[in-house]
Amino acid sequence: KNEVEQSPQNLTAQEGEFITINCSYSVGISALHWLQQHPGGGIVSLFMLSSGKKKHGRLIATINIQEKHSSLHITASHPRDSAVYICAVRGSARQLTFGSGTQLTVLP
Amino acid sequence: DGGITQSPKYLFRKEGQNVTLSCEQNLNHDAMYWYRQDPGQGLRLIYYSQIVNDFQKGDIAEGYSVSREKKESFPLTVTSAQKNPTAFYLCASSILREGRNTEAFFGQGTRLTVV
Repeated sequence: KNEVEQSPQNLTAQEGEFITINCSYSVGISALHWLQQHPGGGIVSLFMLSSGKKKHGRLIATINIQEKHSSLHITASHPRDSAVYICAVRGSARQLTFGSGTQLTVLP
Repeated sequence: DGGITQSPKYLFRKEGQNVTLSCEQNLNHDAMYWYRQDPGQGLRLIYYSQIVNDFQKGDIAEGYSVSREKKESFPLTVTSAQKNPTAFYLCASSILREGRNTEAFFGQGTRLTVV
């Protein structure tokens, strides 16, 4: 079993829809990261969380440490949000372990 | 602007040749990392370095080598011993604060194709 599981693997939405991507992990962590990978391959860090909730523009990230679960929400989705969203956790070894990513496509 | 620069973006090599991927950062970050990404899989750690002149093997170090002679630079060599070198390679860096890593910054990646 992978240490970091994301769902869904693929997600297609219509512009304007509210989107949720989920991440579950099986190890104790010091922080959880949400990353965005564009079609060219470059990765941008969206959030780093260790508890609670963070918001940046239309993006909201939450984490429940007890349930070992995090969600990334996108409100009023737009085609430019189309990308791969990756969850990564930092465990006791201080290295990042990555999920396999969620491919999001937002249709106009 | 501070950031991480990987070069080149695309690289083609013949089988059996060593190839070196460049990663430079001007963020004054202590730690640097190399990851490999294959279709449908999460990023996997090849090597990392938390201080100049020191580096550690990650999960898939076989067939790769690195050096960290300067804080700003962490080149990765894909040797002929790497059985399946065609992949997308990402470099990252982070600050070490009180022994803990902070947010990671990633380069744009290098897509290596071995023919």
